[in-house]
Amino acid sequence: DTAVSQTPKYLVTQMGNDKSIKCEQNLGHDTMYWYKQDSKKFLKIMFSYNNKELIINETVPNRFSPKSPDKAHLNLHINSLELGDSAVYFCASSQEIVSPGAFFGQGTRLTVV
Amino acid sequence: AQSVTQPDIHITVSEGASLELRCNYSYGATPYLFWYVQSPGQGLQLLLKYFSGDTLVQGIKGFEAEFKRSQSSFNLRKPSVHWSDAAEYFCAVATDSWGKLQFGAGTQVVVTP
Repeated sequence: DTAVSQTPKYLVTQMGNDKSIKCEQNLGHDTMYWYKQDSKKFLKIMFSYNNKELIINETVPNRFSPKSPDKAHLNLHINSLELGDSAVYFCASSQEIVSPGAFFGQGTRLTVV
Repeated sequence: AQSVTQPDIHITVSEGASLELRCNYSYGATPYLFWYVQSPGQGLQLLLKYFSGDTLVQGIKGFEAEFKRSQSSFNLRKPSVHWSDAAEYFCAVATDSWGKLQFGAGTQVVVTP
C-alpha cells in the first residue's frame, strides 16, 4: 500500500493550460505539503495544510491553488501554465507539525511545452 | 538569513568505503535537522532527524549523523557504503513548529565497484 500517492506521475501540457495534481495519504497524518523541485534539484516548500487549514503559503504565484477536501487529500491546481512551471512536484505528509515531510510521494514531473 | 549549505555537490566513493556528507546551517537557535535520500526518479525518504538530546542520531540503512552545535553542522556518515546508496542526499532544517523545511542543494553520491 502506497503511503503517499500522487497522480499523475508524468504530465506534459501546453502553455496556458490548466492542470491539477492529486495527492492522497493513507497514513492518518494531519499535515500535508507541496514541494517543488526544479531542474537543479533544488527543493522548495510551496504550501502546507494542517487538518484542511492552510498554514504555510510561500511566495508562489496565485496561479497555484491548493485545495484540501479532507485531511487525507491535498490537490494542487495550476492555472495558465508557463514554461517555468516545469518541475517535479512532491506531495508529503507528516503526523506532527514538528516532524515535517516524513513521507514523500513519488513526485509528479510536469513538463510545459 | 537562514541557510542550509551542503558544500559537496558530488562525491564518488568506492563500495565498502566510508562516506561522510557535510551539512552546515545558519540559524539563530538550534533548528530541527533532517537528512533525506532521493534515488533516481523517486521521492524523498527520511533517513534520520534530530530534535534534541543525544547529538549522535541513528537512522535507517545504516546511516548516522552527528549534530555539532559549535560548528553548526549535522554531518551524515555511513561506515561502509553499498552500491544501492548511490543517490542524491539532502540536508534540511525546520526552523519553526509549522514544519517549513528548508533544503540544502543536495549532494550526489556515486558508488564505484
